[in-house]
Amino acid sequence: GQNIDQPTEMTATEGAIVQINCTYQTSGFNGLFWYQQHAGEAPTFLSYNVLDGLEEKGRFSSFLSRSKGYSYLLLKELQMKDSASYLCAVTGAGGSYIPTFGRGTSLIVHP
Amino acid sequence: GAGVSQSPSNKVTEKGKDVELRCDPISGHTALYWYRQSLGQGLEFLIYFQGNSAPDKSGLPSDRFSAERTGGSVSTLTIQRTQQEDSAVYLCASSTTSGGAGETQYFGPGTRLLVL
Repeated sequence: GQNIDQPTEMTATEGAIVQINCTYQTSGFNGLFWYQQHAGEAPTFLSYNVLDGLEEKGRFSSFLSRSKGYSYLLLKELQMKDSASYLCAVTGAGGSYIPTFGRGTSLIVHP
Repeated sequence: GAGVSQSPSNKVTEKGKDVELRCDPISGHTALYWYRQSLGQGLEFLIYFQGNSAPDKSGLPSDRFSAERTGGSVSTLTIQRTQQEDSAVYLCASSTTSGGAGETQYFGPGTRLLVL
């Protein structure tokens, strides 16, 4: 089967840096998505990594290591509005292009 | 331009009744996905439509679930004889795709289904 693991919940302080990890064990891999989902809202795209390394996009960066089956999302200069669930999704699992999602990490940012 | 829209936004029904959930994808998007999200759970894939190809129904949990996509645009997810465990948020997403793996999915706001 396909397995994607993320921590269930994390807390951090406004202005700090937080790293949300995602590990995957899948038969096949094309790339890895990160989505942000505020409570009661639709997920929105953050990043897509295909190659190893770090991709930076403003306050958010995403890292991928294909050999280790590992990714992380790095959020800098945290703001209260960053409180949300962060979903990791893998494409290519089982040879399918349909993204397979982890359970998501609920991030709580407090003052 | 308009994003993905879904209706109704909320639906309360009695166990055993049938429900229909609607999704209007972004115009021009050929790929359409249905997911289910239960409380505290990740997105569970249900069904995928790509152009005129036969849909990928591999995620449908039982034969009470079905979906169709008319004219390559609007999609309807039907749940027959609803059960309490069907209570969840049903999310629809669309993307432009040529069958590749990196197309961003644009999600609708979801339909919150509660089966009493």
